[in-house]
Amino acid sequence: AQTVTQSQPEMSVQEAETVTLSCTYDTSENNYYLFWYKQPPSRQMILVIRQEAYKQQNATENRFSVNFQKAAKSFSLKISDSQLGDTAMYFCAFMTHPGGSQGNLIFGKGTKLSVKP
Amino acid sequence: NAGVTQTPKFRILKIGQSMTLQCTQDMNHNYMYWYRQDPGMGLKLIYYSVGAGITDKGEVPNGYNVSRSTTEDFPLRLELAAPSQTSVYFCASSYLRGPTYEQYFGPGTRLTVT
Repeated sequence: AQTVTQSQPEMSVQEAETVTLSCTYDTSENNYYLFWYKQPPSRQMILVIRQEAYKQQNATENRFSVNFQKAAKSFSLKISDSQLGDTAMYFCAFMTHPGGSQGNLIFGKGTKLSVKP
Repeated sequence: NAGVTQTPKFRILKIGQSMTLQCTQDMNHNYMYWYRQDPGMGLKLIYYSVGAGITDKGEVPNGYNVSRSTTEDFPLRLELAAPSQTSVYFCASSYLRGPTYEQYFGPGTRLTVT
């Protein structure tokens, strides 16, 4: 069974600084996908960034980038120039190639990020 | 464009009561999902649907039932509510199922069973 582990329950960062959130996963699959979701206090789940395991290049979306280390099964999220609006729970999630239950998202427990002024 | 809407936002149930959580999407998505999020945990899939009339179990289906009579609606039924069902429930939808098709989430329903 696939598992996703986020070892940092809470983190804080000063506004305008950079922070990195950690995520590790366990799978025997070779073809899979990884995601970071943001859940602000409004509880809305928002997709931040997505990475395909077959791509060596790390995904980036504006101030958000990932460090994908396939051999180490590590998928960290870097937030640059942190803003107050980045304050939220961040969930790492995993999905194998769709088909039966393998198309389901598997979430970690989340990291609560606080951006301080 | 409302996206995915859920009602109610909050509900308190007594043990043994039943209720239906409503979910509607206006994006003409084929796939719809129900997740639960327990305190300090990530989301877990309860049920999903690939289209009207077709549903399948997720990771934690016990104590729940679903139906999908239309493309837009995917209600979740709780029969004989138990304290273990205290959670936040999220509905989501996607055009197709798979990693390239983003799941759009509703705002959630916070349910307390006492």
